[in-house]
Amino acid sequence: EAGVAQSPRYKIIEKRQSVAFWCNPISGHATLYWYQQILGQGPKLLIQFQNNGVVDDSQLPKDRFSAERLKGVDSTLKIQPAKLEDSAVYLCASSPLTRGSPGELFFGEGSRLTVL
Amino acid sequence: AQKITQTQPGMFVQEKEAVTLDCTYDTSDQSYGLFWYKQPSSGEMIFLIYQGSYDEQNATEGRYSLNFQKARKSANLVISASQLGDSAMYFCAMREGFGTYKYIFGTGTRLKVLA
Repeated sequence: EAGVAQSPRYKIIEKRQSVAFWCNPISGHATLYWYQQILGQGPKLLIQFQNNGVVDDSQLPKDRFSAERLKGVDSTLKIQPAKLEDSAVYLCASSPLTRGSPGELFFGEGSRLTVL
Repeated sequence: AQKITQTQPGMFVQEKEAVTLDCTYDTSDQSYGLFWYKQPSSGEMIFLIYQGSYDEQNATEGRYSLNFQKARKSANLVISASQLGDSAMYFCAMREGFGTYKYIFGTGTRLKVLA
């Protein structure tokens, strides 16, 4: 079974530029999450999708961050314009929510963003 | 408000010894799940172990066990017979909700296993 795919793995941009990250969850996983992990901290939820609908985006800085999951499969997270404090690893995760399973999150390798 | 607290920023353990990583949580839900993840320096998050709030027995997975004390709202991870490859960040996480789950993470504990 293929894992959660993310790209790019690394991105360096200047502040005020834009960047987009892509995530393809495990096939059949209805729920997709984007987390921001700043160095030395735990992951913080940015947005949660169930199929192609947004479940929770309360911590997404909507003035600069946007995300979509148009066909209920892959997802894109965009930052425009980027700020220095956006430097972090952006983790995508999906969950099967299968009856009888613990419902653990399956994570991609992350996209490391450096804003100069 | 839901919260996960990991009070140990860093821990050292001698190879082959056991180590306990602390985690306390706060929730008003009756149904919830507790998870531990390992994050090596390469960055991927690896699921280790799960405990459901209604599970009466502590979860175990190989060298990992979860010391679940519901009344104290603690879910400590015990790693037995530590190996050098266990050196990593460890995150405690809680799942809440019904239908659409929400997951929150602690700040992590960095474990270093000494040879």
